[in-house]
Amino acid sequence: EAQVTQNPRYLITVTGKKLTVTCSQNMNHEYMSWYRQDPGLGLRQIYYSMNVEVTDKGDVPEGYKVSRKEKRNFPLILESPSPNQTSLYFCASSLSNRVNEKLFFGSGTQLSVL
Amino acid sequence: GENVEQHPSTLSVQEGDSAVIKCTYSDSASNYFPWYKQELGKGPQLIIDIRSNVGEKKDQRIAVTLNKTAKHFSLHITETQPEDSAVYFCAAGGSYIPTFGRGTSLIVHP
Repeated sequence: EAQVTQNPRYLITVTGKKLTVTCSQNMNHEYMSWYRQDPGLGLRQIYYSMNVEVTDKGDVPEGYKVSRKEKRNFPLILESPSPNQTSLYFCASSLSNRVNEKLFFGSGTQLSVL
Repeated sequence: GENVEQHPSTLSVQEGDSAVIKCTYSDSASNYFPWYKQELGKGPQLIIDIRSNVGEKKDQRIAVTLNKTAKHFSLHITETQPEDSAVYFCAAGGSYIPTFGRGTSLIVHP
């Protein structure tokens, strides 16, 4: 089954404790992206990657890192999480970054930073 | 860059009524307008899209309309059912991955 898999589904942590949210897709997609969803603000893009070793900032990249060492994986790293990073995070992928490509989203990771 | 405004933020209807969600965009170069539905506990999923060379597209109970002159597009759901309850996102884009609106929470009361 074609899917984007995120882990963990829920995560509670404390300020300053490094964490990684994993994302994997099994569709051989070139394009992958991370979004955060906050009430009233919709989906805001954090980082994206157009292929292996090619990443770029989205609209809200501060406090986040990503890497794309393999085509299927695109982890999101918070090296020193802060409470304002409490949010619902989604990983997404598509065949390419062309506008008419369907985006496939993971099921989300609810992060709480205390 | 593109700016997408979406209204209303919350929409409450009775089962069987119609629901309309409206979006406006700023970049006249945008030519692709997808709509995503996010059910509770899940990620958004593409439900319908429209390109700038057509004014309307239908798929069973849902339809999208586009007015390029006014730079707005809408999602219409007829004969709403409880399973239509979800958050709906519009998006707009020209060449690359589209920009999303802030979402509309649709509640369909049985």
